[in-house]
Amino acid sequence: NAGVMQNPRHLVRRRGQEARLRCSPMKGHSHVYWYRQLPEEGLKFMVYLQKENIIDESGMPKERFSAEFPKEGPSILRIQQVVRGDSAAYFCASSPVKGNNSPLHFGNGTRLTVT
Amino acid sequence: DAKTTQPTSMDCAEGRAANLPCNHSTISGNEYVYWYRQIHSQGPQYIIHGLKNNETNEMASLIITEDRKSSTLILPHATLRDTAVYYCIVTRGGGADGLTFGKGTHLIIQP
Repeated sequence: NAGVMQNPRHLVRRRGQEARLRCSPMKGHSHVYWYRQLPEEGLKFMVYLQKENIIDESGMPKERFSAEFPKEGPSILRIQQVVRGDSAAYFCASSPVKGNNSPLHFGNGTRLTVT
Repeated sequence: DAKTTQPTSMDCAEGRAANLPCNHSTISGNEYVYWYRQIHSQGPQYIIHGLKNNETNEMASLIITEDRKSSTLILPHATLRDTAVYYCIVTRGGGADGLTFGKGTHLIIQP
């Protein structure tokens, strides 16, 4: 039973390039969450999606960042025109339903380095 | 979601029980207590959660005080692989909302 799969595991981009991070949730999970962890800091919530819908993007920076979770395929976190401050670990989590008894299952993250 | 307070770091000898405290004095009646941990360079791992009763699973036990203002996560026989940052999170939306991770407790298991 595969867990949450994130790829790539490591991603290096030059300033100004685009970064695309992919997340395949656990089988049967229709809720996806993205978190960012800056070096030596805690995890910060970015966005919560269900299939084809963004439910809560209150943690997303207003510019350059976008997320989608299409009907088919993985969830994508897209960062346009990356800057050095975007260097961080990006974690995806999934759950089957929304509710009090529904823990999140996390992937092992994508480590983005902007040079 | 209610705020939690945890010690910054703790040590525990290998093979002994590790008891990690968490204060959540402003918890409300419909909020759950969740515990996650993050081993270095990995994603957070769900451990256990509870509402008011004590809970146990294959990883740990969760003891919640009667007034629900604090809880303790117990790892019964700590191993070196249990060295990690442990996060106590209180959430009304349950595990499936945007969890707010604080700084957690860095538990170091000593050989």
